Amino acid sequence: GAGVSQSPSNKVTEKGKDVELRCDPISGHTALYWYRQSLGQGLEFLIYFQGNSAPDKSGLPSDRFSAERTGGSVSTLTIQRTQQEDSAVYLCASSLVRGGSTNEKLFFGSGTQLSVL
Amino acid sequence: QKEVEQDPGPLSVPEGAIVSLNCTYSNSAFQYFMWYRQYSRKGPELLMYTYSSGNKEDGRFTAQVDKSSKYISLFIRDSQPSDSATYLCAMSGKDSGYSTLTFGKGTMLLVSP
Repeated sequence: GAGVSQSPSNKVTEKGKDVELRCDPISGHTALYWYRQSLGQGLEFLIYFQGNSAPDKSGLPSDRFSAERTGGSVSTLTIQRTQQEDSAVYLCASSLVRGGSTNEKLFFGSGTQLSVL
Repeated sequence: QKEVEQDPGPLSVPEGAIVSLNCTYSNSAFQYFMWYRQYSRKGPELLMYTYSSGNKEDGRFTAQVDKSSKYISLFIRDSQPSDSATYLCAMSGKDSGYSTLTFGKGTMLLVSP
């Protein structure tokens, strides 16, 4: 596809269960981001992948959150033992970062609406 | 004090009005400033991108950055009902290696026909 694809678009789960959210970035984009958007809140940075470098995990709110990016493309965000406060829209974005360039233009997917009951 | 402050609105205007959206920020290291538009149930899409201070115009949209006041603005001329959306300011700088954006909470804009 031409854009960033996220699945599922909606996920309802019970407190304590684990969930996996998937992101397919734009082909050729080397940078991939996960953000969280809660009701009435701005976008909160979670994690950033750039090529083969170690990811920047500084935004992950707890050790229940983890993310992987396989083959430099698809990424999965995993939330273990979900809590009600994890309910939010999880947005994935990708960008084409040329070497030495600081020109970061992010392209976002439509997000996964996570509801923890 | 949050790093980026943005009035959540909603801001309601009639079609054809000039709209002014604003953000203030506290981190003087920010150098790149962006405006994203987000329609309901969609991801944000990049509208305007500005480096450092100055103005940038693109069609009906003008972005202004005043680094001395730590204040950025987005102006929309001849607003249309299709402009109804949430507008998010975002910025990045040397602190984060330019790699992550700090967003405002967004301002909801409603343009009535």
